[in-house]
Amino acid sequence: DAGITQSPRHKVTETGTPVTLRCHQTENHRYMYWYRQDPGHGLRLIHYSYGVKDTDKGEVSDGYSVSRSKTEDFLLTLESATSSQTSVYFCAISESPSSGTEAFFGQGTRLTVV
Amino acid sequence: AQSVTQLGSHVSVSEGALVLLRCNYSSSVPPYLFWYVQYPNQGLQLLLKYTTGATLVKGINGFEAEFKKSETSFHLTKPSAHMSDAAEYFCAVGATGGYNKLIFGAGTRLAVHP
Repeated sequence: DAGITQSPRHKVTETGTPVTLRCHQTENHRYMYWYRQDPGHGLRLIHYSYGVKDTDKGEVSDGYSVSRSKTEDFLLTLESATSSQTSVYFCAISESPSSGTEAFFGQGTRLTVV
Repeated sequence: AQSVTQLGSHVSVSEGALVLLRCNYSSSVPPYLFWYVQYPNQGLQLLLKYTTGATLVKGINGFEAEFKKSETSFHLTKPSAHMSDAAEYFCAVGATGGYNKLIFGAGTRLAVHP
């Protein structure tokens, strides 16, 4: 299994509070991704990173920010959590996606905003 | 831009029957195509991928998929379903030319009944 650890695995938070999810990899892959999974929508890309301090938006980036200060860590922050951000969040890593290498996924973080 | 359409959010088959999960893609450049499987409360696991070369791709657990450029399709098949194949399946598209994201379809949940 690829070395990807997401933390926490489960979290319940209140509306309006900030929340940070962490993804840690031990594979030294350049690319890291945050997806959210919702019924009927599959996986939707939130943000991704192509190197330390290099990030870009995905298709559902509103309300989220990311940071990557080290190769191995990619943080996802919900600035002010809303109920619509209740979801399962997956981190993924890839070595060279434009060369066809696959993405490896973490186990997911189940976030509930009440 | 890349996109993926999976036809049928739910598919039900009998044990021993043929499994056919449909995936159509849109890509402005030569695509890379992937099938992932997700078992309950787990992350995504790669089943198979197409990058270049042979258009019939074999994966794990007896699954295979055929890339058909003229039909923009990458359907997943397995000759004989097992109970253990019950899971959610996701088709994804990446691309050459500096495209560094994987875009996923909405998923197909496969049920296998005795």
